[in-house]
Amino acid sequence: DQQVKQNSPSLSVQEGRISILNCDYTNSMFDYFLWYKKYPAEGPTFLISISSIKDKNEDGRFTVFLNKSAKHLSLHIVPSQPGDSAVYFCAASVYQGGSEKLVFGKGTKLTVNP
Amino acid sequence: DAMVIQNPRYQVTQFGKPVTLSCSQTLNHNVMYWYQQKSSQAPKLLFHYYDKDFNNEADTPDNFQSRRPNTSFCFLDIRSPGLGDAAMYLCATSKTETQYFGPGTRLLVL
Repeated sequence: DQQVKQNSPSLSVQEGRISILNCDYTNSMFDYFLWYKKYPAEGPTFLISISSIKDKNEDGRFTVFLNKSAKHLSLHIVPSQPGDSAVYFCAASVYQGGSEKLVFGKGTKLTVNP
Repeated sequence: DAMVIQNPRYQVTQFGKPVTLSCSQTLNHNVMYWYQQKSSQAPKLLFHYYDKDFNNEADTPDNFQSRRPNTSFCFLDIRSPGLGDAAMYLCATSKTETQYFGPGTRLLVL
């Protein structure tokens, strides 16, 4: 029972264009949503997050949009650069057992072609 | 730089031979987590510590144990590794909703 779904295992875009990574969730109790970037043989690196009470958060080239009614969020990267090529994980946070716990999607592998 | 450190980066063990993976942090975060990640899958939470309070996930096998002797260190003990336990093991820390991950330890079981 996947609570966080990333339905596209991979995405390929041209350098300079926009990359849009999508994520769907099922649990209305999630209070934060986060995106992590992962290079091979490294741990996930925090990229950007959004509170469930917001619908947009922007940080440089990265923008996350949240549509609560559709239980959908997306990460926009513009312009895309070859160094952005990595696996991107969507994660949702829920307060449980005295601390915030993350539920991850399976990831989307982004390839940015020069 | 404040960080999360995992040692070793690669660990080879034999079927049934106990193995310990270690994690340390300089962030002074009160929560530490252990995840298991298999190829092309989402990281799966095994357990976490809130300070010294241990929280086990319901589906974490008894074969997996953890120790947190102080704020900075946390250990993952696999008592009798099976072939199915070969995976990347990720340690993370947090103070709020954002978790910060170490580089992971790749475990190979022969």
